[in-house]
Amino acid sequence: GENVEQHPSTLSVQEGDSAVIKCTYSDSASNYFPWYKQELGKRPQLIIDIRSNVGEKKDQRIAVTLNKTAKHFSLHITETQPEDSAVYFCAASSGNTPLVFGKGTRLSVIA
Amino acid sequence: GAGVSQSPSNKVTEKGKDVELRCDPISGHTALYWYRQSLGQGLEFLIYFQGNSAPDKSGLPSDRFSAERTGGSVSTLTIQRTQQEDSAVYLCASSPGSVKYEQYFGPGTRLTVT
Repeated sequence: GENVEQHPSTLSVQEGDSAVIKCTYSDSASNYFPWYKQELGKRPQLIIDIRSNVGEKKDQRIAVTLNKTAKHFSLHITETQPEDSAVYFCAASSGNTPLVFGKGTRLSVIA
Repeated sequence: GAGVSQSPSNKVTEKGKDVELRCDPISGHTALYWYRQSLGQGLEFLIYFQGNSAPDKSGLPSDRFSAERTGGSVSTLTIQRTQQEDSAVYLCASSPGSVKYEQYFGPGTRLTVT
């Protein structure tokens, strides 16, 4: 089955700097890769997703890149703000199988 | 509109007791998921219901865990003979279609087994 590895487990950045979180997956059939953000004490919420027919997707300060050959995808947050502090989860699925989540990255943005 | 709701929000039970956790998905959402999140850990998939198809139970950790979804709407996750390692937050999510649609999560049920 699918296995998703996520790095780093914790990440601290200064406000205004960029943050990058990386995930690798094992199943070459996976073609859907969402990212969820979970603020402390709250429920996870989708922030961006990418499908395997594109290599990059942007939404304001957030971007996701996908390398199908290497089977890895990354989340990029630019101009970080304190409200970006949260746990971020990557996930992968073939569409016919449930999402497999990474273990999460705790991002702290230091003002 | 109303989001995904779960009840109870907190449940404390003694080891060996059975518990039932309830999930009310967003109206019209055909897919419903249960996850378990242990303290500081990721989201562990438990079970997935999609329309009238047989549920995907591949994530259930033992036969003490079961779930049903009545009438394509409300779902109940049942844990029999609870153990201390069952202590976690149980999250339910629903989506309007298959796995490739955004999943809307409920607030979770925090289960503590003493």
